Amino acid sequence: NAGVMQNPRHLVRRRGQEARLRCSPMKGHSHVYWYRQLPEEGLKFMVYLQKENIIDESGMPKERFSAEFPKEGPSILRIQQVVRGDSAAYFCASSEPGQGDSPLHFGNGTRLTVT
Amino acid sequence: EDQVTQSPEALRLQEGESSSLNCSYTVSGLRGLFWYRQDPGKGPEFLFTLYSAGEEKEKERLKATLTKKESFLHITAPKPEDSATYLCAVSGGGADGLTFGKGTHLIIQP
Repeated sequence: NAGVMQNPRHLVRRRGQEARLRCSPMKGHSHVYWYRQLPEEGLKFMVYLQKENIIDESGMPKERFSAEFPKEGPSILRIQQVVRGDSAAYFCASSEPGQGDSPLHFGNGTRLTVT
Repeated sequence: EDQVTQSPEALRLQEGESSSLNCSYTVSGLRGLFWYRQDPGKGPEFLFTLYSAGEEKEKERLKATLTKKESFLHITAPKPEDSATYLCAVSGGGADGLTFGKGTHLIIQP
């Protein structure tokens, strides 16, 4: 019973490069969420997706960040032209339908370091 | 805007010394309050969901309670393996996803 799988676990990018973070939800889960965690900060909501649909991207920066959850394959969080301030841990979570009262199950995150 | 405040920020206890962690929240239309445990280098691990004031949930040495303004996570006779950061989150206010507090970093000394 695999949990939420994220890869890579660690990612190092130089300023200006692109970062692609992948997330496979738990089996049977069709809702995916991305969160960002900065040192000494709480988890901040970024985006909520269902298959082929972005439901809520109110937490996503307007520029350089995008997310998708295609019909087949993992969800992808893409950061273009990374800057040092993008360095953080990015967590993906999934839930069953009826997300308002279903707990989120988290992966172990991707730690992005921008040099 | 939904708000979650956790206290204390850090807590150091001796093994066997019981205590409580606090989570104060402001949300319009609470759908659920969630407690998670996070170990270093790992993602949050789900512990409990509470839906209405007066509700209580228990799991091993942990017990979560909920009022209209706050939730408590009571830890009874803790062991060193209970050391972790405990996160509180709320769902509600018409927003998608959860709003998290900054967590309480708990250390249990043998």
